[in-house]
Amino acid sequence: GQQVMQIPQYQHVQEGEDFTTYCNSSTTLSNIQWYKQRPGGHPVFLIQLVKSGEVKKQKRLTFQFGEAKKNSSLHITATQTTDVGTYFCAASGSARQLTFGSGTQLTVLP
Amino acid sequence: DAGVIQSPRHEVTEMGQEVTLRCKPISGHNSLFWYRQTMMRGLELLIYFNNNVPIDDSGMPEDRFSAKMPNASFSTLKIQPSEPRDSAVYFCASTVGQANSPLHFGNGTRLTVT
Repeated sequence: GQQVMQIPQYQHVQEGEDFTTYCNSSTTLSNIQWYKQRPGGHPVFLIQLVKSGEVKKQKRLTFQFGEAKKNSSLHITATQTTDVGTYFCAASGSARQLTFGSGTQLTVLP
Repeated sequence: DAGVIQSPRHEVTEMGQEVTLRCKPISGHNSLFWYRQTMMRGLELLIYFNNNVPIDDSGMPEDRFSAKMPNASFSTLKIQPSEPRDSAVYFCASTVGQANSPLHFGNGTRLTVT
């Protein structure tokens, strides 16, 4: 099935610092989605990217889809304690079903 | 607007017992997914249904696991007999459209098998 590598596994930042998580695939993706899971919670859909080179923003969050549609990134500017959680990418290739990355667990230190 | 509803929220059972997890998808959603989440293996897709029909069950660990969707508003995931290694959080998710559409997750069932 589709293999999706996500890095880093963990990230600790001081409040106000920026944060980036990356998602990579060896094959071309049809779309990629990002989810956030708060501690003890369930994954919540953030955004979907489908076009090569696409960039979308949600307030302090910026999502990018690579030109080759094999990688994606989520960047948070000036992190806040409310950003704490695990961020997952989920990708779809030829098999169509979503495969989730292993997630990046973000800790924001006040 | 009700989301995906799962029950129970927590289940503690002894090894060898049967466990049944329940899910009510969002009304109008035609695809339903069962995921298992553990620290070691992350989020794993167990099975997904489209229009109540199982489409891909290749993620079901073994014959002890079975899933049904008798109608558009209800699905069950059954483990019989349960084993300690089945301990995990089980999520149900639903979506409208294709299998790669954005997913709406339930709150999950935390299963502990002792």
